[in-house]
Amino acid sequence: DSGVTQTPKHLITATGQRVTLRCSPRSGDLSVYWYQQSLDQGLQFLIQYYNGEERAKGNILERFSAQQFPDLHSELNLSSLELGDSALYFCASSTGQASGEQYFGPGTRLTVT
Amino acid sequence: GQNIDQPTEMTATEGAIVQINCTYQTSGFNGLFWYQQHAGEAPTFLSYNVLDGLEEKGRFSSFLSRSKGYSYLLLKELQMKDSASYLCAVKDSNYQLIWGAGTKLIIKP
Repeated sequence: DSGVTQTPKHLITATGQRVTLRCSPRSGDLSVYWYQQSLDQGLQFLIQYYNGEERAKGNILERFSAQQFPDLHSELNLSSLELGDSALYFCASSTGQASGEQYFGPGTRLTVT
Repeated sequence: GQNIDQPTEMTATEGAIVQINCTYQTSGFNGLFWYQQHAGEAPTFLSYNVLDGLEEKGRFSSFLSRSKGYSYLLLKELQMKDSASYLCAVKDSNYQLIWGAGTKLIIKP
């Protein structure tokens, strides 16, 4: 158990809908990272937050947005969903902002039908 | 651009040794990580190299040559549970992790 929690574990929704994925980092970690992993693909870095502020941006679509709240939990919002958005979404956390060893949550499996 | 190359898939026999290579071209270098990921599960940290040489941790070892932009992960005494994907990731000049696509390792009895 990495100490990172993600909810929900599974999510099935229809195209055009909007969903919110939630992540709580390990106790004491200030950085949260979001990744997308499509079937049999590598990890795609989406975005990083550090202590409430956006720190780095990867290949995140404009339809996607994220935020980190004062209690350090983070949410990833996915809107106007398309079939291609079906994937595993991982959240990871680390102590500092300089991306040291990252601890991954169990992931949210999103299926868009 | 930034690029990390790993073989897509490798097969090895239980009890044997396997070496998974990773070459990288990144804007700056501040360390290299190896992660293990079982199918459908989260990646877990295996090793970290920032200086040249070999780091040994039980059955797993990781090697780094910064001048060659090269690393390998060595797995000894392979067990069936080692069947997984192995991800190489480099921390670039902005201290961001650049991820390789991963190597799927298949262990046969």
